[in-house]
Amino acid sequence: GQQLNQSPQSMFIQEGEDVSMNCTSSSIFNTWLWYKQEPGEGPVLLIALYKAGELTSNGRLTAQFGITRKDSFLNISASIPSDVGIYFCAGQYNNAGNMLTFGGGTRLMVKP
Amino acid sequence: SQTIHQWPATLVQPVGSPLSLECTVEGTSNPNLYWYRQAAGRGLQLLFYSIGIDQISSEVPQNLSASRPQDRQFILSSKKLLLSDSGFYLCAWRIQGAGGYTFGSGTRLTVV
Repeated sequence: GQQLNQSPQSMFIQEGEDVSMNCTSSSIFNTWLWYKQEPGEGPVLLIALYKAGELTSNGRLTAQFGITRKDSFLNISASIPSDVGIYFCAGQYNNAGNMLTFGGGTRLMVKP
Repeated sequence: SQTIHQWPATLVQPVGSPLSLECTVEGTSNPNLYWYRQAAGRGLQLLFYSIGIDQISSEVPQNLSASRPQDRQFILSSKKLLLSDSGFYLCAWRIQGAGGYTFGSGTRLTVV
C-alpha cells in the first residue's frame, strides 16, 4: 500500500527560527494536505494542495506540492511558541477508496 | 455549517469493562466517517471507516468494533477493554470522496 515518510520526527528550535519539514511517498498523489495537532486536540487542516508544483501560503506557513507528485514540504517562518504541536502531512490518490494516507508526524517544540 | 461532536473528552475504564464512544456530525448528509487511534506522541492509526449506514470497513484486527446506526452517527465499541486499548481516539468526517478530513476533538481513553 501507499506509505508516507515524514521527516524529521521531531524538532526543537529557538523562537524566531524558520522550520522546514517534508513528506515523501512511494507512489504519486493528487492531493497533499498539511495538518497541525495541538496537545489534547484533534488535527486541524492548515493547507491543501491540489496541483503538482503548487505553492500555497497561509500566513507564516508555506507548503508546496512536489512536481513529481511524490513529495511535499511545509515551511514555517519566524516560529513562535504557539507553533508547538504535531504536524501531519497527508496524501490522497483519486482511486475508488479516496482514502487519505497520513505521515508519521513531526513534533515541533519551540523554545521562547 | 458542518460540525463534528465527539464524547466523552476523557474516560478512565478498568480492564475488562465495555466501551462506547460516540461521534456525530451535523450540517451534512451521507458523510464518510472515520475512527483513528493515536498512541501518546505518535501517528494516526486508522481503525474503521464507513461510507454509509451499516457499511463499516476495518483496517486492523483488534479488540474494537464500530457501528453506524444512523447516517451521521458513528460509534466505537468494545466488549472487554485491554490495557493496550489506551490511547487518544479521534473521529473524522468528510464529504464523500472529496477534500480533507475534519477531525473531532478526541477522547482520551485510559484503561487501568
